[in-house]
Amino acid sequence: SQQGEEDPQALSIQEGENATMNCSYKTSINNLQWYRQNSGRGLVHLILIRSNEREKHSGRLRVTLDTSKKSSSLLITASRAADTASYFCATAPPTGANNLFFGTGTRLTVIP
Amino acid sequence: DGGITQSPKYLFRKEGQNVTLSCEQNLNHDAMYWYRQDPGQGLRLIYYSQIVNDFQKGDIAEGYSVSREKKESFPLTVTSAQKNPTAFYLCASSTLAAMPTDTQYFGPGTRLTVL
Repeated sequence: SQQGEEDPQALSIQEGENATMNCSYKTSINNLQWYRQNSGRGLVHLILIRSNEREKHSGRLRVTLDTSKKSSSLLITASRAADTASYFCATAPPTGANNLFFGTGTRLTVIP
Repeated sequence: DGGITQSPKYLFRKEGQNVTLSCEQNLNHDAMYWYRQDPGQGLRLIYYSQIVNDFQKGDIAEGYSVSREKKESFPLTVTSAQKNPTAFYLCASSTLAAMPTDTQYFGPGTRLTVL
């Protein structure tokens, strides 16, 4: 399967702490994306990192990519209660099909 | 106000019935997708379409059908052949200007329950 796997499945932290989520995948990629989903809602795109990039920042988000280990991490700094959501990684294959392969998600709970 | 809309938000189906979920986008995107999400799970691709009047099966197409008569619309029909249709259905779209796919934009979802 090309589907990614997030780790941990669930994470609970206090407001103000940092949250780190990891994603592992099995095949070569063109890019890897992170999405957020609030309960019962659609997904919202957070950040995209291409296979030739190693780190990317967007506001309080920091994403790293290690293609040799086929893994990525998402760091949310100074977490807020509003960050409570599920976070999914999605991989885009190098060529061919124009669709993404989503992981199973990490459920983040930020306690006020 | 650009975006993707899905309707209805909640849908109830009796066993043996076909139901159609609506997905409309005004982003002028070429590609559209349908995903299924089960509780605590990731997204699984049902069908996708890169151009009008053309669509491709995803990983779990059995029991579903789609059409793409207009660029803006990509309705999904859940047929009676789908044995376990209770799930959350998400529609998405993306441009084809960059291949492989870049960002996908998602609708708010339709929750289908079989009675």
